[in-house]
Amino acid sequence: QSVLTQPPSVSAAPGQKVTISCSGSSSNIGNNYVSWYQHLPGTAPKLLIYENNKRPSGIPDRFSGSKSGTSATLGITGLQTGDEAVYYCGTWDSSLSVGVFGGGTKLTVL
Amino acid sequence: EVQLVESGGGLVQPGESLRLSCAASGFSFSSYAMHWVRQAPGKGLEYVSAITNNGGNTYYADSVKGRFTISRDNSKNTLYLHMGSLTTEDMAVYYCARDGDWNYVYFDYWGQGTLVTVSS
Repeated sequence: QSVLTQPPSVSAAPGQKVTISCSGSSSNIGNNYVSWYQHLPGTAPKLLIYENNKRPSGIPDRFSGSKSGTSATLGITGLQTGDEAVYYCGTWDSSLSVGVFGGGTKLTVL
Repeated sequence: EVQLVESGGGLVQPGESLRLSCAASGFSFSSYAMHWVRQAPGKGLEYVSAITNNGGNTYYADSVKGRFTISRDNSKNTLYLHMGSLTTEDMAVYYCARDGDWNYVYFDYWGQGTLVTVSS
């Protein structure tokens, strides 16, 4: 049981838009910054979004992040088959004093 | 170029110990907090442990507290994870990750991971 809650899977057609939600509490998302990661099998996770809505250099603006209260959302527009991966949200939990992740959301581009 | 290279994984029996290493290069290692994250087979990412840039503070998930110890040697640009009393629940790929900014806690660079197998 993950501290942060994500839908297990989402799907959409190429070129379409998808959003992935991440729900937490006041001890984590509510009072800390959220980051998002893309994970392909057999590879290292990749940072997509940090500090709620900032993109590292090299990450296309098709990827966006937002946060409201104790929830966060990752948006991906112009879906490509190469976007098929598992996406994780992460943050710090001030009560547990550890990092926490969502359970991961598998994106399928139909 | 930032590089993180884990090593030390392998097959161990339940109850045994193992030490993982993460060799860092391409950045000022002593300026960054570092983390360990793991992924068990068929499962999602699980946070394991963190250490501040000077090693002064350490943090552990409840699942490993009292059994694992994170440490670093800034003179060798190396992060460690000493894992004791291993169980089958600890079997996973272990990743080390750099913290982009300790004020915000996010993992901007990751290693490729090292596999720890716990089996009798």
